Amino acid sequence: DAGVIQSPRHEVTEMGQEVTLRCKPISGHDYLFWYRQTMMRGLELLIYFNNNVPIDDSGMPEDRFSAKMPNASFSTLKIQPSEPRDSAVYFCASSAKQGSPLHFGNGTRLTVT
Amino acid sequence: GQQVMQIPQYQHVQEGEDFTTYCNSSTTLSNIQWYKQRPGGHPVFLIQLVKSGEVKKQKRLTFQFGEAKKNSSLHITATQTTDVGTYFCISNTGKLIFGQGTTLQVKP
Repeated sequence: DAGVIQSPRHEVTEMGQEVTLRCKPISGHDYLFWYRQTMMRGLELLIYFNNNVPIDDSGMPEDRFSAKMPNASFSTLKIQPSEPRDSAVYFCASSAKQGSPLHFGNGTRLTVT
Repeated sequence: GQQVMQIPQYQHVQEGEDFTTYCNSSTTLSNIQWYKQRPGGHPVFLIQLVKSGEVKKQKRLTFQFGEAKKNSSLHITATQTTDVGTYFCISNTGKLIFGQGTTLQVKP
């Protein structure tokens, strides 16, 4: 079991550019979560999916953020256009079913200049 | 998920001292999960508590779930520098909201 795989590990981009973060959950896991972590705001839940369907996206900061899960083994979080305040570590996590432990990826450290 | 409040937010201890962090809720919790995040790392699942009054141990770590299932604690005996990190508790019932956690610093 390779665990949750995120790419890239680091992303540096200029303000206004589009950023796409990728996540491969653990095979067989029904739930996928996207979190953002900063010193000021801690670990924020952005959106989560159940069986590829978005269940709650109320944590998505604004329309510049979008997330998709086209199949059970892949999800993307896109920011377009990116802004310096989007700089953070973005984590993807998956769990087998509701109530099961979360398994986090190593995260993507995003820096927007 | 049901949100819990965690205290303290920060704790500095001398290596060898004990450490405790507490989670409290105004409502009855169906379960409590504890996670640890090392500096620069990602949260890692430690344990889940489900039953009223449950106590579980992992080496020097002791986890408790209150009788009323409204609070939980994590106690570390004789801290080591490897215990440094942020400890989170959450109630895992769907939407999973993490609080600020308790950040532990251990002075060697």
